[in-house]
Amino acid sequence: GAVVSQHPSWVICKSGTSVKIECRSLDFQATTMFWYRQFPKQSLMLMATSNEGSKATYEQGVEKDKFLINHASLTLSTLTVTSAHPEDSSFYICSAGLENEQFFGPGTRLTVL
Amino acid sequence: GENVEQHPSTLSVQEGDSAVIKCTYSDSASNYFPWYKQELGKRPQLIIDIRSNVGEKKDQRIAVTLNKTAKHFSLHITETQPEDSAVYFCAATETGTASKLTFGTGTRLQVTL
Repeated sequence: GAVVSQHPSWVICKSGTSVKIECRSLDFQATTMFWYRQFPKQSLMLMATSNEGSKATYEQGVEKDKFLINHASLTLSTLTVTSAHPEDSSFYICSAGLENEQFFGPGTRLTVL
Repeated sequence: GENVEQHPSTLSVQEGDSAVIKCTYSDSASNYFPWYKQELGKRPQLIIDIRSNVGEKKDQRIAVTLNKTAKHFSLHITETQPEDSAVYFCAATETGTASKLTFGTGTRLQVTL
């Protein structure tokens, strides 16, 4: 149990376009999900906390208008990178909590050309 | 907010030797400390965790110790094997599935034959 999926697993896009990443909890409901970004050889940095039915809480320095988060159901949160630029290229990972443990999705590798 | 420091950044040990990774945290309210193993391009996998009401926890070749007074915790891997080679992250949070994790900077462990 406690499986979190992400889609797509990788995406390549042109600069200026928007990309949507989905995070799903497959066998449990998650009122809260988290979005992390990981640059090569670096740690996971929390971008925002996604709350079902309400606005996301963004970490300091993360532009909420650039990284749009929607948590419309208890099993789905989406992260949209708007007007993507090469510096947004990174590994994006979501997680969801269940019984005091966080379960991570497999990650989405975004490459912006 | 919480700040987690992790040392060393890289660690090379011979197969069969022990490996120790240390972390310190800043927020005395943190009471849950998980350790994750991440292989290249994969999601972080929880390998062991400890809560603040416990000083030590062991699971086969892996153990974690916690010193609440000094605000530091350590991961110990004994009888290392090549498959232990990966990046290890410590993290800290105040318990609850809705609690965000603050990660350490990571330790790249290389187990050589």
